[in-house]
Amino acid sequence: KQEVTQIPAALSVPEGENLVLNCSFTDSAIYNLQWFRQDPGKGLTSLLLIQSSQREQTSGRLNASLDKSSGRSTLYIAASQPGDSATYLCAVDTGTASKLTFGTGTRLQVTL
Amino acid sequence: SQTIHQWPATLVQPVGSPLSLECTVEGTSNPNLYWYRQAAGRGLQLLFYSVGIGQISSEVPQNLSASRPQDRQFILSSKKLLLSDSGFYLCAWSGGGEAFFGQGTRLTVV
Repeated sequence: KQEVTQIPAALSVPEGENLVLNCSFTDSAIYNLQWFRQDPGKGLTSLLLIQSSQREQTSGRLNASLDKSSGRSTLYIAASQPGDSATYLCAVDTGTASKLTFGTGTRLQVTL
Repeated sequence: SQTIHQWPATLVQPVGSPLSLECTVEGTSNPNLYWYRQAAGRGLQLLFYSVGIGQISSEVPQNLSASRPQDRQFILSSKKLLLSDSGFYLCAWSGGGEAFFGQGTRLTVV
């Protein structure tokens, strides 16, 4: 059974810092990995999708990497801003009907 | 472009009452559709998924059921709600790659 772990559970950083969020998964036989953002009381917003054959994806200040063999992914946020404050979730797709297994998230607070 | 609509946004229901949450997708055909639940302090749990009209797969035994009467419509139901059904319910769709989520329904059973 696939298990996904995210570390740290919570993180507080001052504005402008670069930061890394970690995601690990137990079964390396994944189809893809997706990073999401969730604001309080809201749905999930897709940030980045990394296919199993890819090593990384970039969108603006976000960069996600994938090391499938070691079961790890990182989300790098450059020059953090208060608007980045949210919970970040990673999810892996094992390919069966594209069902996702989620981590419990990292709650990020960027302070002024 | 594709959009996903989910309603209502919030719902307070008494124990034992019925439930119907609806989700519709626009701008795509034959999507995979999903219902997830997010309980307080816990991760998202997949409840049901559907790969086509009338095809429903349940991931966990529970007091809920799902139906897909049309290609882009997914409904989550219960005949009698339990206190443990409280949570944040999210509908999602996927074309086989990236998944997209609705804005969620906050259900409180009292």
